[in-house]
Parts: sequence; structure tokens; C-alpha cells
Amino acid sequence: EVQLLESGGSLVQPGGSLRLSCAASGFTFRNYVMTWVRQAPGKGLQYVSGISASGDSPHHADSVKGRFTISRDNSKNTLYLQMNSLRVEDTAIYYCAKTGDVGGWYYESWGQGALVTVSS
Amino acid sequence: EVLLTQSPGTLSLSPGERATLSCRASQSLGRNYLAWYKQKPGQAPRLLIYGTSSRATGIPDRFSGSGSGTDFTLTISRLEPEDFAVYYCQQYDTPPQTFGQGTEVEMK
Repeated sequence: EVQLLESGGSLVQPGGSLRLSCAASGFTFRNYVMTWVRQAPGKGLQYVSGISASGDSPHHADSVKGRFTISRDNSKNTLYLQMNSLRVEDTAIYYCAKTGDVGGWYYESWGQGALVTVSS
Repeated sequence: EVLLTQSPGTLSLSPGERATLSCRASQSLGRNYLAWYKQKPGQAPRLLIYGTSSRATGIPDRFSGSGSGTDFTLTISRLEPEDFAVYYCQQYDTPPQTFGQGTEVEMK
């Protein structure tokens, strides 16, 4: 059974930093593109960042480019999201998501989410 | 980027009724890379449909997806109590991938 367990969510002040982790199990982690998707309170879903299976091709949405960095450690089956220069509008639940087996970045499995609150 | 518009915003139906949800793209999805997700309050989204019409593992056959180009539909043939939730479409055809704003299926 696929399991994705996020950690690292917290309350942080504007301009601060935070690192989220996602521990994966139940599948061959190194074979899959992994992503972060967020959901602001009461709002819809928004793609944040994605990374290739090998880790050499990260991608970020324009809204977080230059502030967030996605990475992975395939030896530890763990996905990361380093978030710097946080803004109030980054407040959201951050989901770690595994892409599917058939072509394209659709999300076959999701973690339970990590809450990030940016507030003074 | 591709804008996805879901309609209606809210659908009020009773158990046993048929639900038809629409997702319209601002430009054609050449590979029909369109997915649907269901989300209940306090829970993570769950994949229902990918590639416009392929059901994800464990999804009952009362859920079906159809469409092509710019117009896509999720149909729930007979609503069960657990189907009352918010449904999102997602296009992963043209980067950056985008989501629709959601349709809430509520119990009448």
C-alpha cells in the first residue's frame, strides 16, 4: 500500500523559512515523479513544485519560483520542499503527491497534508 | 496557462440521482490528459479518473469520464451517500498543469 507522510508544517512569520518532508513507502520511490500541491483555506488545489524520478529536473510554479526548492533523496525515499521568503499567501495545506503509472502528471496517491501558516 | 472552468459551482441532488459535472478548458487538450478528483472535508483529494475516461484503482463503475478537446464531463450514475463531496478536474496536457475551481455535490 502506498503511504505518503508529510511533516514539518508549522506557524512561521512572513519572510521566514520552513522545510517540509514527505516520507514515502509501499512503492519504488526512485521510479516516480513526485510533486507538491497546496490548498489555501477554503480554496481549490494549486500545483507548487515537481521533480523527476532521478531528481535532476525540478520544476516550480511561477508563484513560488526563486523562493521554494523541491528536492528528493532516493536513498531515504523522501521528498522535500524548502520554502524561503514565505508570504501570508503561502498559507495552505501542502500535499505530497505521487504521479501515476500512465503518461503525464496526474496524482495517483496523496499524503494527508502538512499545514503551513504564515502570519505575524 | 490553460484555464479550467467547472460548472455548476454547486449541484444539489438526492441519493440515487445522476450527477453530471462539466469541465471546460480554455484551449484544446490534444492528448486529452484530464483527471478528476474527489475531496471530502478534512481529507486529501482522491483520484477518480485519469486520461479523460480511465477509472483509477478501486473506483466504482458508477463513476465515468468522457469528453475531448475542450469539453469534459464526469458522470456519477447513481449517487451514494459517500459521493457528496467537492470534485476537481485537472489538466496535465499543457504545462503548467492546472486545476478547476471545483464543483460541490451537496445533498438536497
